[in-house]
Amino acid sequence: GNSVTQMEGPVTLSEEAFLTINCTYTATGYPSLFWYVQYPGEGLQLLLKATKADDKGSNKGFEATYRKETTSFHLEKGSVQVSDSAVYFCALREKDSSYKLIFGSGTRLLVRP
Amino acid sequence: NAGVTQTPKFQVLKTGQSMTLQCAQDMNHNSMYWYRQDPGMGLRLIYYSASEGTTDKGEVPNGYNVSRLNKREFSLRLESAAPSQTSVYFCASSRGEGATNTEAFFGQGTRLTVV
Repeated sequence: GNSVTQMEGPVTLSEEAFLTINCTYTATGYPSLFWYVQYPGEGLQLLLKATKADDKGSNKGFEATYRKETTSFHLEKGSVQVSDSAVYFCALREKDSSYKLIFGSGTRLLVRP
Repeated sequence: NAGVTQTPKFQVLKTGQSMTLQCAQDMNHNSMYWYRQDPGMGLRLIYYSASEGTTDKGEVPNGYNVSRLNKREFSLRLESAAPSQTSVYFCASSRGEGATNTEAFFGQGTRLTVV
């Protein structure tokens, strides 16, 4: 079945460091891909998305590019801030009639001042 | 707009008790979902409703039942709670099939402890 694999955390960085969180997927067809962020004690919020191959999603300095050839959707940010500390989830949406969202296990990011 | 509203926010149950988690959305979305979040496991789909009048099992449906009461509401019922059901439960909704904007919106979660 379809699945999403993320790098394990926690990822600990100093402020202004470069961030990469790896995400690869397995799917039949061409799903839509998402990154969600969860701040402590809150629900998930959409960070960015891409709906077809080579699309680049971006928001709040974060970027991810839908790579069909490598089945990847890695999250990057050039300079992280303490306020970026959160758990990040990669997800895919099947384009069958169910439109189910399938999540990776999440990666905790801790940014130190 | 309230978005997706879940109640209650916290609950403690004894083993064998039953309860219903409520979820309502005010965005006129077709699809609704129930997930559970456990440490190191990400979010796992329990049940979903692709549209009003339909429900289907997700990855981990055992021990749960759902009702899509109308387009707005989607409830999750635990008939006989077990300690393994201790988790944080999230309800979500999305526009569903045919929509170009397929973002899902999440509630704030229900933290359930079964003792």
